[in-house]
Amino acid sequence: EADIYQTPRYLVIGTGKKITLECSQTMGHDKMYWYQQDPGMELHLIHYSYGVNSTEKGDLSSESTVSRIRTEHFPLTLESARPSHTSQYLCASSEYLPPGVQYFGPGTRLTVT
Amino acid sequence: LAKTTQPISMDSYEGQEVNITCSHNNIATNDYITWYQQFPSQGPRFIIQGYKTKVTNEVASLFIPADRKSSTLSLPRVSLSDTAVYYCLPVGSNTGKLIFGQGTTLQVKP
Repeated sequence: EADIYQTPRYLVIGTGKKITLECSQTMGHDKMYWYQQDPGMELHLIHYSYGVNSTEKGDLSSESTVSRIRTEHFPLTLESARPSHTSQYLCASSEYLPPGVQYFGPGTRLTVT
Repeated sequence: LAKTTQPISMDSYEGQEVNITCSHNNIATNDYITWYQQFPSQGPRFIIQGYKTKVTNEVASLFIPADRKSSTLSLPRVSLSDTAVYYCLPVGSNTGKLIFGQGTTLQVKP
């Protein structure tokens, strides 16, 4: 069973606040990902990392930023939250092989009021 | 990236076998076919992956014909807990990136 954790699970916050969503994995995976998913909609890749000090933007433009200082930790930050940021944020990690086998965390449901 | 087409929704009854077919006409030579399951308010979970012919694990079977333009996920004897969204994704062997589509919402009824 994969060990990937996200905190908080739920967050309600006011507009303009800075927030950091935490993601950690204990599997030693080099690759990590952040996805965004609105209710009933598709998942979209917003950030990914192939290792320490490596971060790339995903297929969906996002105002969030990420960092990868340690292999096991891949936090996502929103400098100034807006209602349009209300969504579910899912973190995942994987090894290089087999390709496409990713382990997902439970997600953080963010509501910006 | 290969575009996939799968039914938006399917209904089934407990104990039945369910087959979900996905079309991927322009799949690349080095793409693997990967299926994920997602329950409400949870992250997706990897189910099965294959390149061609048939793959079986404890959860499902995956059938891929020789031309690889489609694939069929087979769930034997479904239960209510198999109600979920199922995604078919071709994955490049050199990227590993996942591009999720709408998926197929499977509703299992008692």
